[in-house]
Amino acid sequence: EAGVVQSPRYKIIEKKQPVAFWCNPISGHNTLYWYRQNLGQGPELLIRYENEEAVDDSQLPKDRFSAERLKGVDSTLKIQPAELGDSAVYLCASSLGSDSPLHFGNGTRLTVT
Amino acid sequence: AQSVTQPDIHITVSEGASLELRCNYSYGATPYLFWYVQSPGQGLQLLLKYFSGDTLVQGIKGFEAEFKRSQSSFNLRKPSVHWSDAAEYFCAVGRQGAGNMLTFGGGTRLMVKP
Repeated sequence: EAGVVQSPRYKIIEKKQPVAFWCNPISGHNTLYWYRQNLGQGPELLIRYENEEAVDDSQLPKDRFSAERLKGVDSTLKIQPAELGDSAVYLCASSLGSDSPLHFGNGTRLTVT
Repeated sequence: AQSVTQPDIHITVSEGASLELRCNYSYGATPYLFWYVQSPGQGLQLLLKYFSGDTLVQGIKGFEAEFKRSQSSFNLRKPSVHWSDAAEYFCAVGRQGAGNMLTFGGGTRLMVKP
């Protein structure tokens, strides 16, 4: 089966610019997650979707971050405007359900200059 | 709140030697426990998981981990390390009913000497 696909792999932007990341989960996986991984640290959950509904977004900085999952398949994570501290790897993951194993994409490495 | 501590930031072992990576968790009830591996530039791959039952769990690539409730630990082991095992390893804890709401530790970077 095809894995979780993320694009772009790398993105370099100047601060205050907008940026968007895209994720295509494994076919049939209803649950989708966005994680942020700072350098030298473990991933931290930003938002979790069950189909189209965001069921946990308590860790998402809502003043500048937004996410959507149209039609319950692909998802987009946006930052506007980006800050220097947003430099990190943004990981998307999907699973069949809340107690099924997570499958991670390769991530998007964001560098904000 | 749940938390995970991986005390060793870096570990270096010789190829063929045994390996143990430490993981301690904090959680009020019976946790779901996971080990993931991340190679450079890659996403995370699940090595093994513990939900219930036998406290010694077997995973992929010859890894195993043992859940010790009394010590709040879930250490990862491998009897003989291969050069391809060099990577970053993350321990994670989830809660029952929401097993994938994971909290990750800071990771342990494993280096393998020839």
